[in-house]
Amino acid sequence: GQQLNQSPQSMFIQEGEDVSMNCTSSSIFNTWLWYKQDPGEGPVLLIALYKAGELTSNGRLTAQFGITRKDSFLNISASIPSDVGIYFCAGQEWGAGNKLVFGAGTILRVKS
Amino acid sequence: GAVVSQHPSWVICKSGTSVKIECRSLDFQATTMFWYRQFPKQSLMLMATSNEGSKATYEQGVEKDKFLINHASLTLSTLTVTSAHPEDSSFYICSASTGTEETQYFGPGTRLLVL
Repeated sequence: GQQLNQSPQSMFIQEGEDVSMNCTSSSIFNTWLWYKQDPGEGPVLLIALYKAGELTSNGRLTAQFGITRKDSFLNISASIPSDVGIYFCAGQEWGAGNKLVFGAGTILRVKS
Repeated sequence: GAVVSQHPSWVICKSGTSVKIECRSLDFQATTMFWYRQFPKQSLMLMATSNEGSKATYEQGVEKDKFLINHASLTLSTLTVTSAHPEDSSFYICSASTGTEETQYFGPGTRLLVL
Protein backbone atom coordinates (compact mmCIF):
# COMPACT_ATOMS: atom_id res chain seq x y z
CA GLY A 1 0.00 0.00 0.00
CA GLN A 2 0.87 3.66 -0.03
CA GLN A 3 3.61 4.80 2.27
CA LEU A 4 4.79 8.27 3.14
CA ASN A 5 8.20 8.78 4.67
CA GLN A 6 8.30 11.94 6.74
CA SER A 7 11.49 13.34 8.21
CA PRO A 8 12.82 14.31 10.56
CA GLN A 9 10.92 12.49 13.25
CA SER A 10 11.51 15.31 15.71
CA MET A 11 13.34 18.61 15.98
CA PHE A 12 14.38 20.74 18.95
CA ILE A 13 15.40 24.17 17.77
CA GLN A 14 16.16 27.61 19.07
CA GLU A 15 13.53 30.30 18.70
CA GLY A 16 14.21 32.32 15.57
CA GLU A 17 15.73 29.45 13.62
CA ASP A 18 14.30 28.21 10.34
CA VAL A 19 12.83 24.71 10.14
CA SER A 20 12.56 22.33 7.22
CA MET A 21 10.75 19.00 7.01
CA ASN A 22 9.87 16.81 4.07
CA CYS A 23 7.89 13.86 2.88
CA THR A 24 8.51 11.36 0.13
CA SER A 25 6.21 8.73 -1.25
CA SER A 26 6.59 5.51 -3.15
CA SER A 27 4.04 6.61 -5.73
CA ILE A 28 2.49 9.69 -7.25
CA PHE A 29 0.05 11.98 -5.48
CA ASN A 30 -2.16 14.62 -7.06
CA THR A 31 -2.47 16.66 -3.87
CA TRP A 32 -0.13 17.30 -0.97
CA LEU A 33 -1.38 18.76 2.29
CA TRP A 34 0.43 19.92 5.40
CA TYR A 35 -1.33 19.89 8.78
CA LYS A 36 -0.34 20.92 12.30
CA GLN A 37 -1.73 19.17 15.34
CA ASP A 38 -1.59 20.52 18.88
CA PRO A 39 -1.96 18.09 21.82
CA GLY A 40 -5.55 16.96 22.28
CA GLU A 41 -6.73 18.74 19.14
CA GLY A 42 -7.55 17.78 15.58
CA PRO A 43 -5.14 18.59 12.74
CA VAL A 44 -5.38 22.08 11.29
CA LEU A 45 -4.70 22.60 7.61
CA LEU A 46 -1.67 24.79 6.97
CA ILE A 47 -1.07 24.57 3.24
CA ALA A 48 -2.66 22.66 0.35
CA LEU A 49 -0.73 21.99 -2.86
CA TYR A 50 -2.52 20.89 -6.02
CA LYS A 51 -0.01 21.23 -8.82
CA ALA A 52 3.41 19.68 -9.42
CA GLY A 53 6.11 22.29 -8.87
CA GLU A 54 3.75 24.58 -6.98
CA LEU A 55 5.36 26.71 -4.28
CA THR A 56 2.90 28.20 -1.79
CA SER A 57 3.35 30.42 1.23
CA ASN A 58 1.18 31.06 4.24
CA GLY A 59 2.82 33.67 6.45
CA ARG A 60 6.09 32.21 7.71
CA LEU A 61 5.28 28.84 6.15
CA THR A 62 6.33 27.79 2.68
CA ALA A 63 5.60 24.45 1.07
CA GLN A 64 6.37 22.97 -2.32
CA PHE A 65 4.84 20.16 -4.35
CA GLY A 66 7.73 18.22 -5.86
CA ILE A 67 8.01 18.13 -9.62
CA THR A 68 7.99 14.31 -9.62
CA ARG A 69 4.71 14.39 -7.60
CA LYS A 70 6.36 12.05 -5.08
CA ASP A 71 7.60 14.55 -2.53
CA SER A 72 6.89 17.76 -0.71
CA PHE A 73 8.63 19.96 1.81
CA LEU A 74 7.50 22.45 4.43
CA ASN A 75 9.66 25.30 5.68
CA ILE A 76 8.97 27.47 8.70
CA SER A 77 10.99 30.66 8.93
CA ALA A 78 11.93 32.47 12.13
CA SER A 79 10.31 29.94 14.45
CA ILE A 80 8.40 31.11 17.51
CA PRO A 81 7.25 29.18 20.61
CA SER A 82 3.70 28.72 19.30
CA ASP A 83 5.08 26.73 16.36
CA VAL A 84 5.46 23.83 18.78
CA GLY A 85 3.37 20.84 17.76
CA ILE A 86 3.26 17.87 15.43
CA TYR A 87 3.36 18.51 11.71
CA PHE A 88 1.90 15.95 9.34
CA CYS A 89 2.18 15.71 5.60
CA ALA A 90 -0.65 13.98 3.77
CA GLY A 91 -1.09 12.94 0.17
CA GLN A 92 -4.10 12.19 -2.01
CA GLU A 93 -3.98 10.12 -5.16
CA TRP A 94 -6.29 10.12 -8.14
CA GLY A 95 -9.24 7.79 -7.91
CA ALA A 96 -8.77 7.05 -4.23
CA GLY A 97 -12.01 8.68 -3.16
CA ASN A 98 -10.29 11.66 -1.56
CA LYS A 99 -8.61 9.39 0.97
CA LEU A 100 -5.50 10.79 2.61
CA VAL A 101 -2.29 8.96 3.37
CA PHE A 102 -0.50 10.49 6.33
CA GLY A 103 3.15 10.70 7.19
CA ALA A 104 4.28 9.67 10.66
CA GLY A 105 4.62 13.29 11.76
CA THR A 106 7.43 15.63 12.79
CA ILE A 107 7.46 16.74 16.42
CA LEU A 108 8.69 20.31 16.67
CA ARG A 109 9.94 21.78 19.93
CA VAL A 110 11.13 25.37 20.16
CA LYS A 111 13.47 26.62 22.85
CA SER A 112 12.99 30.26 23.72
CA GLY B 1 -14.99 28.92 6.71
CA ALA B 2 -14.63 25.12 6.63
CA VAL B 3 -15.33 24.50 10.30
CA VAL B 4 -15.93 20.98 11.54
CA SER B 5 -17.17 20.24 15.05
CA GLN B 6 -17.28 17.05 17.06
CA HIS B 7 -19.36 16.13 20.04
CA PRO B 8 -18.59 15.14 22.68
CA SER B 9 -15.00 16.30 23.05
CA TRP B 10 -14.36 13.57 25.57
CA VAL B 11 -16.29 10.67 27.00
CA ILE B 12 -15.71 8.09 29.71
CA CYS B 13 -17.87 4.99 29.66
CA LYS B 14 -18.12 1.56 31.18
CA SER B 15 -17.08 -1.51 29.27
CA GLY B 16 -19.97 -2.98 27.30
CA THR B 17 -21.79 0.27 26.66
CA SER B 18 -22.15 2.00 23.30
CA VAL B 19 -20.90 5.48 22.59
CA LYS B 20 -22.02 7.81 19.80
CA ILE B 21 -19.77 10.53 18.43
CA GLU B 22 -21.13 13.26 16.16
CA CYS B 23 -19.26 15.08 13.42
CA ARG B 24 -20.78 18.20 11.90
CA SER B 25 -19.68 20.51 9.11
CA LEU B 26 -20.82 23.92 10.32
CA ASP B 27 -20.50 26.16 7.30
CA PHE B 28 -20.36 23.88 4.30
CA GLN B 29 -22.00 20.77 2.94
CA ALA B 30 -19.80 17.72 3.26
CA THR B 31 -20.45 15.10 0.61
CA THR B 32 -17.79 12.93 2.19
CA MET B 33 -16.75 12.49 5.81
CA PHE B 34 -13.90 10.42 7.14
CA TRP B 35 -13.32 8.83 10.52
CA TYR B 36 -9.84 8.38 11.92
CA ARG B 37 -8.37 6.86 15.02
CA GLN B 38 -5.16 8.09 16.60
CA PHE B 39 -3.09 6.43 19.28
CA PRO B 40 -0.69 8.47 21.44
CA LYS B 41 2.34 9.73 19.56
CA GLN B 42 1.18 8.10 16.35
CA SER B 43 -0.23 9.28 13.06
CA LEU B 44 -3.87 9.21 12.05
CA MET B 45 -5.28 5.89 10.92
CA LEU B 46 -8.24 6.00 8.56
CA MET B 47 -11.11 3.83 9.75
CA ALA B 48 -13.80 4.51 7.20
CA THR B 49 -15.11 6.82 4.52
CA SER B 50 -18.73 7.85 4.57
CA ASN B 51 -20.75 9.44 1.80
CA GLU B 52 -24.09 11.05 2.46
CA GLY B 53 -26.94 8.65 1.91
CA SER B 54 -24.85 5.56 1.30
CA LYS B 55 -23.10 2.90 3.31
CA ALA B 56 -19.68 3.65 4.71
CA THR B 57 -16.58 2.08 3.24
CA TYR B 58 -14.39 0.56 5.92
CA GLU B 59 -10.64 0.14 5.79
CA GLN B 60 -9.16 -3.30 6.06
CA GLY B 61 -9.15 -4.58 9.61
CA VAL B 62 -11.85 -2.22 10.87
CA GLU B 63 -14.96 -4.05 12.10
CA LYS B 64 -18.04 -2.46 10.59
CA ASP B 65 -20.33 -4.02 13.20
CA LYS B 66 -18.15 -2.58 15.94
CA PHE B 67 -17.87 0.91 14.52
CA LEU B 68 -21.24 1.90 13.07
CA ILE B 69 -21.20 4.92 10.81
CA ASN B 70 -24.21 6.88 9.64
CA HIS B 71 -24.05 9.87 7.29
CA ALA B 72 -27.67 10.93 7.30
CA SER B 73 -27.25 14.46 5.98
CA LEU B 74 -24.72 16.65 4.22
CA THR B 75 -23.67 18.17 7.53
CA LEU B 76 -23.75 15.27 9.97
CA SER B 77 -22.02 11.93 10.33
CA THR B 78 -22.05 9.77 13.43
CA LEU B 79 -19.71 7.06 14.65
CA THR B 80 -21.09 4.62 17.21
CA VAL B 81 -18.64 2.43 19.08
CA THR B 82 -20.75 -0.56 20.04
CA SER B 83 -20.10 -2.64 23.15
CA ALA B 84 -16.99 -0.63 23.89
CA HIS B 85 -14.01 -2.28 25.55
CA PRO B 86 -10.87 -0.76 27.07
CA GLU B 87 -8.90 -1.43 23.88
CA ASP B 88 -11.30 0.91 22.06
CA SER B 89 -9.99 3.80 24.15
CA SER B 90 -8.45 6.24 21.72
CA PHE B 91 -8.68 9.67 20.10
CA TYR B 92 -11.27 9.64 17.34
CA ILE B 93 -11.14 12.39 14.73
CA CYS B 94 -13.46 13.10 11.85
CA SER B 95 -12.85 15.13 8.75
CA ALA B 96 -15.09 16.46 6.02
CA SER B 97 -14.64 17.48 2.44
CA THR B 98 -16.90 19.10 -0.09
CA GLY B 99 -15.87 16.67 -2.74
CA THR B 100 -15.22 19.33 -5.33
CA GLU B 101 -12.35 20.89 -3.39
CA GLU B 102 -11.14 17.57 -1.99
CA THR B 103 -9.26 19.17 0.90
CA GLN B 104 -10.19 17.57 4.20
CA TYR B 105 -10.98 19.74 7.21
CA PHE B 106 -10.68 18.08 10.57
CA GLY B 107 -12.78 18.21 13.69
CA PRO B 108 -11.21 18.79 17.11
CA GLY B 109 -11.36 15.12 18.03
CA THR B 110 -13.12 13.05 20.68
CA ARG B 111 -11.17 11.31 23.38
CA LEU B 112 -12.80 8.05 24.44
CA LEU B 113 -11.84 6.26 27.63
CA VAL B 114 -13.47 2.90 28.30
CA LEU B 115 -13.15 1.64 31.84
